[in-house]
Amino acid sequence: NAGVTQTPKFRVLKTGQSMTLLCAQDMNHEYMYWYRQDPGMGLRLIHYSVGEGTTAKGEVPDGYNVSRLKKQNFLLGLESAAPSQTSVYFCASSYGDSAQPQHFGDGTRLSIL
Amino acid sequence: GQNIDQPTEMTATEGAIVQINCTYQTSGFNGLFWYQQHAGEAPTFLSYNVLDGLEEKGRFSSFLSRSKGYSYLLLKELQMKDSASYLCAVRDSNYQLIWGAGTKLIIKP
Repeated sequence: NAGVTQTPKFRVLKTGQSMTLLCAQDMNHEYMYWYRQDPGMGLRLIHYSVGEGTTAKGEVPDGYNVSRLKKQNFLLGLESAAPSQTSVYFCASSYGDSAQPQHFGDGTRLSIL
Repeated sequence: GQNIDQPTEMTATEGAIVQINCTYQTSGFNGLFWYQQHAGEAPTFLSYNVLDGLEEKGRFSSFLSRSKGYSYLLLKELQMKDSASYLCAVRDSNYQLIWGAGTKLIIKP
């Protein structure tokens, strides 16, 4: 049972490039989340989804887009990468709303040069 | 504004007890989570408090006082594997999670 799987684990991009981070969960969870984690700061919610075909903005959505075409997958896209987007990105899923514990992937370490 | 305060770093000795505090000022309160995060790894769920009082789960306990905007995580019989960051997160009036920056706990032999 894999839980939440993120790909890739590491990536280096140049400013202006685009890329997609993939998150897959095998727990049949309805809710999925994308966070970024920066030194000295708490996790910040980028976008989230409450079910297949739905997405919503979180605290820091600018510069990112998401899609949830299948229940088990949640994709995070960077349209035109900027150095300020250098961060560790975590995907999480939960059975229900934010009162339920979230299960996190191992993270994607992204550097923008 | 919304704010979660935790000490940045704490040091404790193997076998001892440590208390990690979390104070919060948020727009409403609908529950508080504690997560553990080992360096370079994913956060993992430890506890969830909605009502005042102490919740015990093995060597870990979590306490909540809603009137004081305060919680703590108590770790007993510390082991080296408890070296990690401990994240406090509050569920606000909009049912969004507000995360603290985490407390890095260093366990010394």
